[in-house]
Amino acid sequence: QVRLQESGPGLVKPSQTLSLTCSVSDDSITGGTYSWSWIRQPAGKGLEWIGRIYTGGSTDSNPSLKSRVTITVDTAKKVFSLKLTSVTAADTAVYFCARETADYTVLTGKYNRRFDQWGQGTLVTVSS
Amino acid sequence: EIVLTQSPGTLSLSSGERATLSCRASQSVSISDLAWYQQRPGQAPRLLMYGASNRAAGVPDRFSVSGSGTDFTLTINRLEPEDFAVYYCQQFAMSPWTFGQGTKVEFK
Repeated sequence: QVRLQESGPGLVKPSQTLSLTCSVSDDSITGGTYSWSWIRQPAGKGLEWIGRIYTGGSTDSNPSLKSRVTITVDTAKKVFSLKLTSVTAADTAVYFCARETADYTVLTGKYNRRFDQWGQGTLVTVSS
Repeated sequence: EIVLTQSPGTLSLSSGERATLSCRASQSVSISDLAWYQQRPGQAPRLLMYGASNRAAGVPDRFSVSGSGTDFTLTINRLEPEDFAVYYCQQFAMSPWTFGQGTKVEFK
């Protein structure tokens, strides 16, 4: 079973850039049926999807964060990364990386998507 | 964006009872575009159900989903101690992907 592991600074100063990396334990990062997402969760609150990247490098992100988010992938190193610029206290959260699997179902003519693998999460605190 | 509203916020039940969790979407989505996750304290969410009736690996058949249009339900039959957790619905119908705010199933 694939394992995902987030890494990066646990403390970032306001107005600076939050940088996190997710390491993927197997070669699924090169697989065409997957995309790779970042999701965050403020303490005691719900989940917010930040954005995703496909193996080929195309990205999609939440409009609420889009201008501040950059997601990149390095398939050779089996990692994908998140940069979030101009952070404020509102960006304090546990950040998860997750694999989105999509497989086509002939019966419905649709893709079945799900976040089937998650990292354990890493707490990032924005504070001076 | 599609807003998902879960109810109730908290469900107080005993082991062996049935839990019925609701997820309402702000616009019509296919049940095939919904997924459900379980999150225990201090842990990452765990995939439970996706693509209408698909259970993730290791998920027992006491978990089931139903619904259509804008109203969906996750049912947990015969609650076991390990089922007491927070549950989230999530949609893949339209980007940005969104989650409901969660329903906590707690011991009565």
